[in-house]
Amino acid sequence: QKEVEQDPGPLSVPEGAIVSLNCTYSNSAFQYFMWYRQYSRKGPELLMYTYSSGNKEDGRFTAQVDKSSKYISLFIRDSQPSDSATYLCAMSVDSGGYNKLIFGAGTRLAVHP
Amino acid sequence: NAGVMQNPRHLVRRRGQEARLRCSPMKGHSHVYWYRQLPEEGLKFMVYLQKENIIDESGMPKERFSAEFPKEGPSILRIQQVVRGDSAAYFCASSPGVSRASYEQYFGPGTRLTVT
Repeated sequence: QKEVEQDPGPLSVPEGAIVSLNCTYSNSAFQYFMWYRQYSRKGPELLMYTYSSGNKEDGRFTAQVDKSSKYISLFIRDSQPSDSATYLCAMSVDSGGYNKLIFGAGTRLAVHP
Repeated sequence: NAGVMQNPRHLVRRRGQEARLRCSPMKGHSHVYWYRQLPEEGLKFMVYLQKENIIDESGMPKERFSAEFPKEGPSILRIQQVVRGDSAAYFCASSPGVSRASYEQYFGPGTRLTVT
C-alpha cells in the first residue's frame, strides 16, 4: 500500500464548477500537508500548505485536512480553464531533523469552457 | 527571476553515456532536493543536500547516481552509464535554510532526460 493515495483522474469539469480533489494517507506521522499545481511539462508550483486539521482558504482555493480520517482535500471554486493542470498532494514527515516530502501520483484536471 | 534554475531543460543521451543535470536554488535558499518523475507518476524523492553535505540520499539508486552541492556553484545530479530506464523528468527544489521550513519547497522547471 502506498503511503499517499491519490486518484489520477482525469477529471473533466465545465467552467464555473466546484472541483474537489482528494488524497488519503496511512502514516499518522505526517505533519504538513501541501498542494502543488503542475502544468504540462513544467515544474510543480506550491499552492497551499496546512499544518493542522481544519480548513485554510486562499482566494478560490480551500485546503481541508482531517487528521482523524487521514484525508485531505483541495476545493477549487468557480473553476477556470486556466486551472487545467495536474494537482499533486504532498505530505511531510520529520526525517532526522528535516521535512521529507511524500507525493501522491497527481490528479489531472481539465476545465472546459 | 529569483526562482529555481535548472539546466539543461532537455537532455538526450545514448545508452552508456553520462548525464549531468544542474540546479541553482532560489536566492537565499541553501537546501536542495532532487526528485524524479516518471510518466503518470508522482515525484519520487532522490536526495537532499546542503552546501557541501549530503544529508539524505535514501531515494537514490546505489549505483551510477551521485549528487553534490559544492560551496560555490550549482548542485549537480550525475548519472553515469545511462540506461533507457533513466528516461524521466528530474526536478530540483530548494527551501530556506531553516529545518522547520523545509516543507516549503520550491521547484525548478525540470530537466527532461531521454536515453536513446
